[in-house]
Amino acid sequence: NAGVTQTPKFQVLKTGQSMTLQCAQDMNHEYMSWYRQDPGMGLRLIHYSVGAGITDQGEVPNGYNVSRSTTEDFPLRLLSAAPSQTSVYFCASFSTGQENYGYTFGSGTRLTVV
Amino acid sequence: RKEVEQDPGPFNVPEGATVAFNCTYSNSASQSFFWYRQDCRKEPKLLMSVYSSGNEDGRFTAQLNRASQYISLLIRDSKLSDSATYLCAVIPYNTDKLIFGTGTRLQVFP
Repeated sequence: NAGVTQTPKFQVLKTGQSMTLQCAQDMNHEYMSWYRQDPGMGLRLIHYSVGAGITDQGEVPNGYNVSRSTTEDFPLRLLSAAPSQTSVYFCASFSTGQENYGYTFGSGTRLTVV
Repeated sequence: RKEVEQDPGPFNVPEGATVAFNCTYSNSASQSFFWYRQDCRKEPKLLMSVYSSGNEDGRFTAQLNRASQYISLLIRDSKLSDSATYLCAVIPYNTDKLIFGTGTRLQVFP
């Protein structure tokens, strides 16, 4: 099993550009989430989804869009990149049916906005 | 007040020491609790879930105190390889969101 796969691993954007961070999981997990991690701020929830077709906002949703058309994929879209969105982005998935349940994280996308 | 707050770090301890981290949560009806470990520039990895009765996994013991609204992680006989950031996480009541604390850095020295 690949687990949770994030692409790209690194990205540099110019202010105002848009892009999509990809996240895919092959564990048939119903829950998926996007977090950003900044120094001293811990992991902050951007958006999450409890199943295909269902998404909701987390703590810091502004400037980001998500959709969940399939169980496997949960892309995160930056509409108009700003330097404040420079961060490390983690996607995670979770299933209530798994033993010792807890979120499984992808390896992250390091985004720099200049 | 933040939903989840952790002890400020860093904790610098010698090998073999016992170290404890606390994490407080604001929603008294929170339902699920976790400890994650994160190595530098890596993704967080689940260390252990925290059960109401407390649970142990080798040198690691997690406890939940609902009355005082905190969870704790005890590491016995610290190893150099335990050096990492430890994050607590909570699923508040009636939500599906996993909310993290800011993490506590542990550095174990020889």
